[in-house]
Amino acid sequence: AQKVTQAQTEISVVEKEDVTLDCVYETRDTTYYLFWYKQPPSGELVFLIRRNSFDEQNEISGRYSWNFQKSTSSFNFTITASQVVDSAVYFCALSEARRDDKIIFGKGTRLHILP
Amino acid sequence: GAVVSQHPSWVICKSGTSVKIECRSLDFQATTMFWYRQFPKQSLMLMATSNEGSKATYEQGVEKDKFLINHASLTLSTLTVTSAHPEDSSFYICSARPRGYGYTFGSGTRLTVV
Repeated sequence: AQKVTQAQTEISVVEKEDVTLDCVYETRDTTYYLFWYKQPPSGELVFLIRRNSFDEQNEISGRYSWNFQKSTSSFNFTITASQVVDSAVYFCALSEARRDDKIIFGKGTRLHILP
Repeated sequence: GAVVSQHPSWVICKSGTSVKIECRSLDFQATTMFWYRQFPKQSLMLMATSNEGSKATYEQGVEKDKFLINHASLTLSTLTVTSAHPEDSSFYICSARPRGYGYTFGSGTRLTVV
């Protein structure tokens, strides 16, 4: 069965600190996609990254980095030198290629960056 | 490119009335669109998969007669909340997956039923 677990419900850090958001997933498929989305207070979903199951390379984009480890079924997201504008809810999500491309979301992690 | 436009962004309606939400793919064709619902401080829950020219596929527990989905063209899917009640108040968001892109989401519709 598909499942995405974000164990951290809410995190608060002081600005400029690094913070890692955890994501653990479950799937029976060998072909799947993992995503991270940011949802600011305005509500829209901002796409951050998509990673397919065959690409375990870590990725860095500016202050953002992602660590994908199939051995532990984890796809963690790190924000370096956090800023107040990073405050939002972050969702990890999973899509299985055989399940009509439906995305299943984790429950989200609410991140507060304190000035 | 690959923009999904959702309208309206917010709506307030009286209990018992129906509300229609539109989701348009602006620069690509979408044979499939997805509708999600998000209650305050909760995750996005998939409600249904909208298929162009055929019936929508609803997730378990979602009332088909209450949430009518119509996908009459390759660029438009609509969600109608029929006989809305206060418990239907939520944030509704649609998405599509243009070829070669990740999923694109609309900006969402905040529905308040009074």
